[in-house]
Amino acid sequence: AQRVTQPEKLLSVFKGAPVELKCNYSYSGSPELFWYVQYSRQRLQLLLRHISRESIKGFTADLNKGETSFHLKKPFAQEEDSAMYYCALGGDTGKLIFGQGTTLQVKP
Amino acid sequence: DSGVTQTPKHLITATGQRVTLRCSPRSGDLSVYWYQQSLDQGLQFLIQYYNGEERAKGNILERFSAQQFPDLHSELNLSSLELGDSALYFCASSVVPATQETQYFGPGTRLLVL
Repeated sequence: AQRVTQPEKLLSVFKGAPVELKCNYSYSGSPELFWYVQYSRQRLQLLLRHISRESIKGFTADLNKGETSFHLKKPFAQEEDSAMYYCALGGDTGKLIFGQGTTLQVKP
Repeated sequence: DSGVTQTPKHLITATGQRVTLRCSPRSGDLSVYWYQQSLDQGLQFLIQYYNGEERAKGNILERFSAQQFPDLHSELNLSSLELGDSALYFCASSVVPATQETQYFGPGTRLLVL
């Protein structure tokens, strides 16, 4: 089965603290994984994808096939990072399978 | 701006009615996807089109249908609406329907069924 699990509905941290948003996936093939961000119920924006291995807005994510994880990390959270974050798996035919999302709240 | 447009932005209607949501993909994108975002179900894939042909179906109800036209815009038709259909409906597009392709999302249509 193709599945994405984000175990935390809400993650609350203080500004300047490290952030780790967890994502685990289930997929029999070679996974394509993405992180999307959604600010205040606006459109989803691609944050990063594992094959590009780039850092966007200070966020990074490493694919760990052994642990079937693709956790999103940032060393120092900023208030403007407050948003809903979705981990997504590229499924068959290209459709995206999303996790339930994690709301990141960065407090001043 | 990702270039994907959706109309209308908001839609308020009554139970039992029918509505049509419209999506225009980014220039050059041949594949269109529809997703439903609700508080209880999260973001769910509904249906996908590629160059006018249905490519994949997800958790789409029989009361819902969609099509992609020759100019590549897509419409999602929702009929016999129920209260539970209230949600944010997103359209996304990509160049081709491949797992490694990035999908670009539209702003969504917020549907409220009263």
